[in-house]
Amino acid sequence: NAGVTQTPKFQVLKTGQSMTLQCAQDMNHEYMSWYRQDPGMGLRLIHYSVGAGITDQGEVPNGYNVSRSTTEDFPLRLLSAAPSQTSVYFCASSYRPLDTGELFFGEGSRLTVL
Amino acid sequence: AQSVAQPEDQVNVAEGNPLTVKCTYSVSGNPYLFWYVQYPNRGLQFLLKYITGDNLVKGSYGFEAEFNKSQTSFHLKKPSALVSDSALYFCAVRGWDSGNTPLVFGKGTRLSVIA
Repeated sequence: NAGVTQTPKFQVLKTGQSMTLQCAQDMNHEYMSWYRQDPGMGLRLIHYSVGAGITDQGEVPNGYNVSRSTTEDFPLRLLSAAPSQTSVYFCASSYRPLDTGELFFGEGSRLTVL
Repeated sequence: AQSVAQPEDQVNVAEGNPLTVKCTYSVSGNPYLFWYVQYPNRGLQFLLKYITGDNLVKGSYGFEAEFNKSQTSFHLKKPSALVSDSALYFCAVRGWDSGNTPLVFGKGTRLSVIA
């Protein structure tokens, strides 16, 4: 049981490049989400999904796209990377999406945009 | 709107002493409250949650938290701190009637336990 798996763990991009951060969970969780963590800012929600085919925006969605074609996968796409997107990104999932269920987090993906 | 405040960026405590990490919240209606811990270069791990019932909630690694509705607080506590408790701690909240609104996290408090 791997839990929540994020790839890659580290990535360096140049401004304007695009890339996809992968997130997969093997717990059959309906709810998945992406956060970014920046010093002094805590965790900020980018996008989330309450089930396959359903996504919604969080607090800081600009510059990011998501899709949820399967229950297991929730990739985060950076369309045109900017230095402001340098951050640590966390994917999280939950069985009982939004009330009492605790979130399970991946190990994080550290992105640097030059 | 939901919000969480962790008023201390850093808490220092000597090993063996009790520790408290503070959290206050704002939601409309009743809250679901959570504490998470993050060790260096790792993802967040669930510690404990308050849903309803007893105001004192016990969680992993000997941690507990006390829900105080009148003060809208949910402080994390441990009777005797260990050096291994040194980590970043996050409080999170959502309201019972928040629909699909996800958890809102505080900015985190760094706990340093000194031997």
